Amino acid sequence: QKEVEQNSGPLSVPEGAIASLNCTYSDRGSQSFFWYRQYSGKSPELIMFIYSNGDKEDGRFTAQLNKASQYVSLLIRDSQPSDSATYLCARGDGNNRLAFGKGNQVVVIP
Amino acid sequence: DTEVTQTPKHLVMGMTNKKSLKCEQHMGHRAMYWYKQKAKKPPELMFVYSYEKLSINESVPSRFSPECPNSSLLNLHLHALQPEDSALYLCASSQVDILAYNEQFFGPGTRLTVL
Repeated sequence: QKEVEQNSGPLSVPEGAIASLNCTYSDRGSQSFFWYRQYSGKSPELIMFIYSNGDKEDGRFTAQLNKASQYVSLLIRDSQPSDSATYLCARGDGNNRLAFGKGNQVVVIP
Repeated sequence: DTEVTQTPKHLVMGMTNKKSLKCEQHMGHRAMYWYKQKAKKPPELMFVYSYEKLSINESVPSRFSPECPNSSLLNLHLHALQPEDSALYLCASSQVDILAYNEQFFGPGTRLTVL
């Protein structure tokens, strides 16, 4: 079982809709979780991090963490064409390592 | 300053060349990282420096040689690379935090092509 799983198929959403991305992880001891956005040909950009159960909101982004069910999700409200990118979920392992999922491509259709 | 810089942006080298990638940050971070990323794959960790000391080497071939001259600089020396080493090389930095709350910030990367 991979450490961090993301369903890797592209997600197409109409402009203005909510994009929902999910990520599951196998290590119950994980404490920190990160969402990175990566545009094609560019480097990953940290957009959200979450450490506690529940929701964390930052602008149009909401991260949700459920440690009992071992999943973390990212919601993008009012999706814009500029949100079209690959979103990488990662967890911190406590030793300065990040375990990345494969990434989830989001395409926002105008 | 919340930026990690990397030079060069692009590098083309032959299999017999020696070259170096450079990374710099001025955020006061004491952990710095090298990652390799192939197309449509997530970043793969290569090396971690913590307080200027190499703390993690993910079994990287010796043709890649990291160096951390000071807390702001990180180099990756390249020698006798293979075409399959062509990739985007990413540098990142973070605080060192025993609770693992260490958000990593990535530089723009160096696109390396080995001929």
